[in-house]
Amino acid sequence: DIVMTQSPDSLSVSLGERATINCKSSHSVLYSSNNKNYLAWYQQKPGQPPKLLIYWASIRESGVPDRFSGSGSGTDFALTISSLQAEDVAVYYCQQYYDNPPMYTFGQGTKLEI
Amino acid sequence: QLQLQESGPGLVKPSETLSLTCTVSGGSISSSLYYWGWIRQPPGKGLEWIGSIYYSGSTYYSPSLKSRVTLSVDTSDNQLSLKLSSVTAADTAVYYCVRHPAGYYDSIGYYPYYFDYWGQGTLVSVSS
Repeated sequence: DIVMTQSPDSLSVSLGERATINCKSSHSVLYSSNNKNYLAWYQQKPGQPPKLLIYWASIRESGVPDRFSGSGSGTDFALTISSLQAEDVAVYYCQQYYDNPPMYTFGQGTKLEI
Repeated sequence: QLQLQESGPGLVKPSETLSLTCTVSGGSISSSLYYWGWIRQPPGKGLEWIGSIYYSGSTYYSPSLKSRVTLSVDTSDNQLSLKLSSVTAADTAVYYCVRHPAGYYDSIGYYPYYFDYWGQGTLVSVSS
């Protein structure tokens, strides 16, 4: 299995400041034939299901504010919130969908607080 | 708007079988574009993929749960079902129904992608 490790486990950022969450995979999730990174990011607010934010490592899902951005390639990725808003308080998860046969694994989550 | 709604008993006894149903509305489970699956989250913990199924019945299961899991689809009722046998307290979790794009296809099958829709989840506790 591909192991996903996020850092830090928790993060406290002031309103309006930048927040960066890191995700490292135990195996590259870059598929060479199409040059795509099989990596997604989710946001989970208290009492709610996770919500897809980013896929293909850097493509924002429809409706996701542009203050959210994804970057990285291979084994090292980051989710950045450019200017933290109060409604961004949540736990964030990265997830790989590279494994073959399909085996989906998530990072342990990063709790983001104000 | 696509909606996924999980339903089933909230309490299951140890060694018994957990059975959940997900009803899909606002879209067809028979779409060739998507797989449908289950993910669980123990209270206060992270996310674990259980398995996914195509409308044709093609399945992928987590290796750690494969021996105890059965997924099925009912295209006439637009539902998918999860059965998890021989449950223990470790199976206590919120169970989510999810959709993911069917993805790349080759001679072996599809390789589904990320999870783009999630149900609200249902808490299942395992206790005597």
